[in-house]
Amino acid sequence: RKEVEQDPGPFNVPEGATVAFNCTYSNSASQSFFWYRQDCRKEPKLLMSVYSSGNEDGRFTAQLNRASQYISLLIRDSKLSDSATYLCVVRSGYALNFGKGTSLLVTP
Amino acid sequence: EAGVVQSPRYKIIEKKQPVAFWCNPISGHNTLYWYLQNLGQGPELLIRYENEEAVDDSQLPKDRFSAERLKGVDSTLKIQPAELGDSAVYLCASSLGKGTDTQYFGPGTRLTVL
Repeated sequence: RKEVEQDPGPFNVPEGATVAFNCTYSNSASQSFFWYRQDCRKEPKLLMSVYSSGNEDGRFTAQLNRASQYISLLIRDSKLSDSATYLCVVRSGYALNFGKGTSLLVTP
Repeated sequence: EAGVVQSPRYKIIEKKQPVAFWCNPISGHNTLYWYLQNLGQGPELLIRYENEEAVDDSQLPKDRFSAERLKGVDSTLKIQPAELGDSAVYLCASSLGKGTDTQYFGPGTRLTVL
């Protein structure tokens, strides 16, 4: 079993839609949690960190449930430029463990 | 500020040939990582350096892969000999401190083994 599991995707949504991605992790000792964004044929870039209290950055909201070992990302009012792959990332020690990623395509 | 630099961006070789990838981290970043990303997968760590010391190489296939970071700055990852299954993107990342800081990725080297 992989340490980080994500929704298989792909998600195809119209502009303006709200979309949610989910992720679970297996190592209860994991310390830090992130969402990275990866555009086609580009490198992963940090989108946001995820905290137990929940955190918001503009149209993006991330939530962490340590008891359920569950992480989510909500994107409101989707834009065409949001089309990318979203990687759920969990840190255990010094290692970053990446999920497979969920592909999002926002259409006009 | 310049980001992580990698070269070459693309490499096509025949199986059994050697290949090398180069990475220059962000200036001042002591920690350097090499990741492997297969199509449709997330990156997987191959090796982590703290300055010139390889502190985690447990996932590096040592029969054919090697890496070095001699002066604690830039790094080279080598495969010899390459196999068909090595076709992937090789990503380099760096972070300021001992691996708990934000990792910044380079653009990667896309390797195709024929």
